[in-house]
Amino acid sequence: NAGVTQTPKFRVLKTGQSMTLLCAQDMNHEYMYWYRQDPGMGLRLIHYSVGEGTTAKGEVPDGYNVSRLKKQNFLLGLESAAPSQTSVYFCASSLENSGGAVETQYFGPGTRLLVL
Amino acid sequence: EDQVTQSPEALRLQEGESSSLNCSYTVSGLRGLFWYRQDPGKGPEFLFTLYSAGEEKEKERLKATLTKKESFLHITAPKPEDSATYLCAFPARIQGAQKLVFGQGTRLTINP
Repeated sequence: NAGVTQTPKFRVLKTGQSMTLLCAQDMNHEYMYWYRQDPGMGLRLIHYSVGEGTTAKGEVPDGYNVSRLKKQNFLLGLESAAPSQTSVYFCASSLENSGGAVETQYFGPGTRLLVL
Repeated sequence: EDQVTQSPEALRLQEGESSSLNCSYTVSGLRGLFWYRQDPGKGPEFLFTLYSAGEEKEKERLKATLTKKESFLHITAPKPEDSATYLCAFPARIQGAQKLVFGQGTRLTINP
């Protein structure tokens, strides 16, 4: 099993450009998440999905959109990139946890994004 | 506000020199605490989940423990390959799911 994979590994954008980050998991996990990691801020949740066709906002959703058209894929889009979106983006997945069970989140290798 | 605080921020040890990393938390109704390892340029790698005070888990040279106020990651006779940033996190309820709330991490360097 590859676990959680992310594409691309690294990208440089100019302010105003758009791009999509792709996350794929082969563990048949119901839930998927997008986090960003910044120095001094730790990991923060951007958006998440509790199943195919559903998405919800996390704590820092502004400037991002997401889609979950297939259970195994979760896409993060930046419509008009800003320098403040320079960060490392991590995707994670887990089993269903709405009932209160504590489920481990498994992370991908990350995408480094630089917005000039 | 629920939060976790990790100390120290950075720790340098000689190979074979045992030590402990601390994760203090103020979380009402803690339902679990996670430890992850993160290598430079990589994603967090799951190590342990602890569910209740008094619980301990071990993996190779690492042992994680949990009390009502803090968790420790003990590293015994470390090797250079144990160098990494170690993160602790707790699950927080969000609508229909849980998110992980992470500490800032401890950057551990093991010198040969």
